This record gives sequence, structure tokens and C-alpha cells, in this order.
Amino acid sequence: GNSVTQMEGPVTLSEEAFLTINCTYTATGYPSLFWYVQYPGEGLQLLLKATKADDKGSNKGFEATYRKETTSFHLEKGSVQVSDSAVYFCALSDREINNDMRFGAGTRLTVKP
Amino acid sequence: DTGVSQDPRHKITKRGQNVTFRCDPISEHNRLYWYRQTLGQGPEFLTYFQNEAQLEKSRLLSDRFSAERPKGSFSTLEIQRTEQGDSAMYLCASDRGLMNTEAFFGQGTRLTVV
Repeated sequence: GNSVTQMEGPVTLSEEAFLTINCTYTATGYPSLFWYVQYPGEGLQLLLKATKADDKGSNKGFEATYRKETTSFHLEKGSVQVSDSAVYFCALSDREINNDMRFGAGTRLTVKP
Repeated sequence: DTGVSQDPRHKITKRGQNVTFRCDPISEHNRLYWYRQTLGQGPEFLTYFQNEAQLEKSRLLSDRFSAERPKGSFSTLEIQRTEQGDSAMYLCASDRGLMNTEAFFGQGTRLTVV
């Protein structure tokens, strides 16, 4: 079945450092890929998405490219801020296979000033 | 606020009691999902509705769990005879049911069974 494997955390970085959170997936079809973020005390929010191979999703300085050849969707940001501290979830959805979204375990990011 | 809302935000109950949670999705969304999230894990799918029809249930959803969406708007999730292992965050999400569309999540109901 479809699944997502996400880089384990927690990750602690200094402000303005470069961020990479790895995500790989297993899917039988052609899923859409997502990154969700959960700030402390809040619900999951969509950060970015990509719906087909080679698409790049971007938002708030974060980027992720849908790589079918490596089945990956790594999240990157060139310069993190304290306000980026949150838990990040990689997810996939393939409406032709099933109707639920499959999530990774989440990676907690802490950015220190 | 036109987002997904869940009530209550927190619930503490004694083992063996029944609990019910409510979810109000975004009004134009015809799909509604329930997920469970335990500490250090990502959300796990429980069930979903297309309008008022419950179309899929995960095997995680034991017979103590039941969900309804009677008028295709709000939904309730009931857990009967709660067990300590039911302690988790219960998340509700909704979307338009279209290909490649993202789901919008509520803030969740945190259940603690003591």
C-alpha cells in the first residue's frame, strides 16, 4: 500500500541555517504529495503541494520537488527563522487508489535565535 | 472563521465511559475525514464521508467507534466503553473531494482516558 517515510527528528537549527527534511514515499499509482505544518497549539496547515512528477511546490520560503525517479519530496528552506519552529508532516494522496491521505510520522523543528 | 471546527478541544474521561466529539467542516466541502494522532506519530486515517454516506472505514476503527454525518454537514465520532489506548488527538478534516485537492484540518480534540 501507499506509505510515507519521513526523516526522524527532532531537528534543532540556529536562525538563518539551511533546512532539509527528507521524505520518501511508496505508491502504486501517481499520488499528489504534500507538506503540512503544525505550529504549537494549532491544527495541521497545508504548507505546499505538488501534484505530478518534477513539480515544485513552494510557500513561505519553503520548497519541495516531486522526484519520481527517487520517490522523494524533500522539504528545504534556505534560511530558517525562529517562527518556523513546528512539526512538519509529509503526506501523499492518491484518489485513484484510496480516499485517505497517508502521513509520515512528523519531524519536529526547533529554531534557536 | 470559516475553517474546520472541532468540539470539545479537550476531553478527560474515565475508562469505560462513552464520549462523543463533533466536527463542523468547511461549508462547501462534501468530504469529511476523521483521523487519530498519537504522540510522535502522524495522523492515521479512521473513516471518511462523502456527503452523508460513510464510504470507508479503517480497520483501526473497532466496533466501539461509530461516526455519523446525518445531514451531510457536521459529523460526530463516538467512542463507547473507552480504553486507555484510546487516548489520542482526534482530527477532523474536510475537502471538496476533487483530485489533487488538499484537506483542511481542524485543531483536534485531545482525549485522555484515565
